[in-house]
Amino acid sequence: KNQVEQSPQSLIILEGKNCTLQCNYTVSPFSNLRWYKQDTGRGPVSLTIMTFSENTKSNGRYTATLDADTKQSSLHITASQLSDSASYICVVKEGSTLGRLYFGRGTQLTVWP
Amino acid sequence: DAGVTQSPTHLIKTRGQQVTLRCSPISGHKSVSWYQQVLGQGPQFIFQYYEKEERGRGNFPDRFSARQFPNYSSELNVNALLLGDSALYLCASSLASAVSYEQYFGPGTRLTVT
Repeated sequence: KNQVEQSPQSLIILEGKNCTLQCNYTVSPFSNLRWYKQDTGRGPVSLTIMTFSENTKSNGRYTATLDADTKQSSLHITASQLSDSASYICVVKEGSTLGRLYFGRGTQLTVWP
Repeated sequence: DAGVTQSPTHLIKTRGQQVTLRCSPISGHKSVSWYQQVLGQGPQFIFQYYEKEERGRGNFPDRFSARQFPNYSSELNVNALLLGDSALYLCASSLASAVSYEQYFGPGTRLTVT
């Protein structure tokens, strides 16, 4: 069964600190993995996208890693800001004609001043 | 260039009623997908349309239906609303339905069923 599991479910950190979010998946065949940031009540916004051959991808203070062998990914946020408070969702795209997306439940990050 | 747009932004309905949600994809995008996101959960796939044809359907009852128009915009219809249908409904568009195309999400329609 294709699944995407994220941890932790929620996280509180102080402004300026770093944090790492985890994503494990069982989706097969695999096409790509994306991290999205979703503000409350809004649509998800793409942060990074990685294919099978990519190990690391950065977008400003966001750095995603992918280990396709162990089917694990992480999102590292550096020097957190209050505006980073949001839900971070890991999404794996199936490598089929339909290319269905499988979503994790997200990690709710709260940054305190 | 405008992103994916959805209307209405918010909607309140009572049980048993019917609702229609609308989505306009990014210009040039021919594929539209619909997702339901219950509070605290990740989005759940409902439908995908490409070139006005249904290409995929998630595990949702027949009360949920959708269609895509010649201009590639789409409507999601939900009949006989239940309290459990309360959710954020997201629309995403992509150039095509193939594996390599990224989906871009709209802001969503917040549906509340009372």
